[in-house]
Amino acid sequence: QVQLQESGPGLVKPSETLSLTCTVSGYSISSGHYWGWIRQPPGKGLQWIGNIYHSGSTFYNPSLKSRVTLSVDTSKNQFSLTVRSVTAADTAVYYCVRDHQQLLPDYWGQGTLVTVSS
Amino acid sequence: QSALTQPPSASGSPGQSVTISCTGTSSDVGGYNYVSWYQQHPGKAPTLMIYEVAKRPSGVPDRFSGSKSGNTASLTVSGLQTEDDADYYCSSYAGGSVAFGGGTKLTVL
Repeated sequence: QVQLQESGPGLVKPSETLSLTCTVSGYSISSGHYWGWIRQPPGKGLQWIGNIYHSGSTFYNPSLKSRVTLSVDTSKNQFSLTVRSVTAADTAVYYCVRDHQQLLPDYWGQGTLVTVSS
Repeated sequence: QSALTQPPSASGSPGQSVTISCTGTSSDVGGYNYVSWYQQHPGKAPTLMIYEVAKRPSGVPDRFSGSKSGNTASLTVSGLQTEDDADYYCSSYAGGSVAFGGGTKLTVL
């Protein structure tokens, strides 16, 4: 059973950097699939952020690409998200996911709320 | 990438059927047979209900079905049950990116 768990600070100050890590259990990241992040502002819909392969190959949402970096640590079976220069608009529940095919997710983490506020 | 268009709400009585549409363009829904549907209950993570337009993951009731015509995909829920009351999101591969619909709140009356 594939399980994903997000971790990281729940509060980030404006203009600072948001960093989250996803720990995967029940499946080796090195075995395949793309791994990604999706966010959901409170009361709103889902927004795709990006995906990464164990080789480091990435796909990013063009609207976020200038501020986002994905990375992977296969030795820890983890992948990470960094969002720079955050504003209140980055306040959201952040989900880490595994793609099923063509970047579309099948397995989801439980999500973690990140609030951007001073 | 552009968002896919879904109706904000839909409703039906127990036992009835309801269909939710998801309209995109030839660059996403119309261009690929990679459309997924997700169900989300309040405070929970989304769960995969349909993938590759019309396929169901194991464990998803066959009351849920998907289809596509041109640039519009559809999710049909037959024999509505109270537990189907949730938000539903479509998503599509869009050539190196992913597009999501805005979500549809399905109310089982």
